[in-house]
Amino acid sequence: NAGVTQTPKFQVLKTGQSMTLQCAQDMNHEYMSWYRQDPGMGLRLIHYSVGAGITDQGEVPNGYNVSRSTTEDFPLRLLSAAPSQTSVYFCASTQQETQYFGPGTRLLVL
Amino acid sequence: GENVEQHPSTLSVQEGDSAVIKCTYSDSASNYFPWYKQELGKRPQLIIDIRSNVGEKKDQRIAVTLNKTAKHFSLHITETQPEDSAVYFCAASQGSARQLTFGSGTQLTVLP
Repeated sequence: NAGVTQTPKFQVLKTGQSMTLQCAQDMNHEYMSWYRQDPGMGLRLIHYSVGAGITDQGEVPNGYNVSRSTTEDFPLRLLSAAPSQTSVYFCASTQQETQYFGPGTRLLVL
Repeated sequence: GENVEQHPSTLSVQEGDSAVIKCTYSDSASNYFPWYKQELGKRPQLIIDIRSNVGEKKDQRIAVTLNKTAKHFSLHITETQPEDSAVYFCAASQGSARQLTFGSGTQLTVLP
């Protein structure tokens, strides 16, 4: 039981490049979410999904897309990276109300 | 939407003393209040949570209190130890929605 896994651990992008942050969980949780963490601002919700085929926007969705084709996977896509997207990204899956976070992806956009 | 404010942003205590971190929330419909601990470079980990039908909850050296009328909740750590040093986040959600709104965090430093 690996819990919530994220890849890559660290990524450097140039402005305008695209990439996908991967997130997977093996706990059969229906609810998954993506957060970004910036210094002094806590964690902010980007997108979430209540089950396969269903996604919705959180507090800061602009510049990000998500899809949920399976219960296990919830990738986050940056279509055209901007320096303002430099952050640490955490994926989480939820059982009842308890959220379990992945190890995070540190993204630097130059 | 929900707004969660957390104070203080930094807190230093001597080993063995108590530490208190306070949060206020804006949405009276919120009914689930977790606290997370995040060590440097690591993921946030749940340390304790409380639901709105309970006023206080304890787990060894950690306790959380909730005042629904005033819309604030607090984390209390007693007999602090150096390994308690970390960033602590409070959060709030309407339980069925499961969308957490986080406070901005408190850097706790326990001095030996």
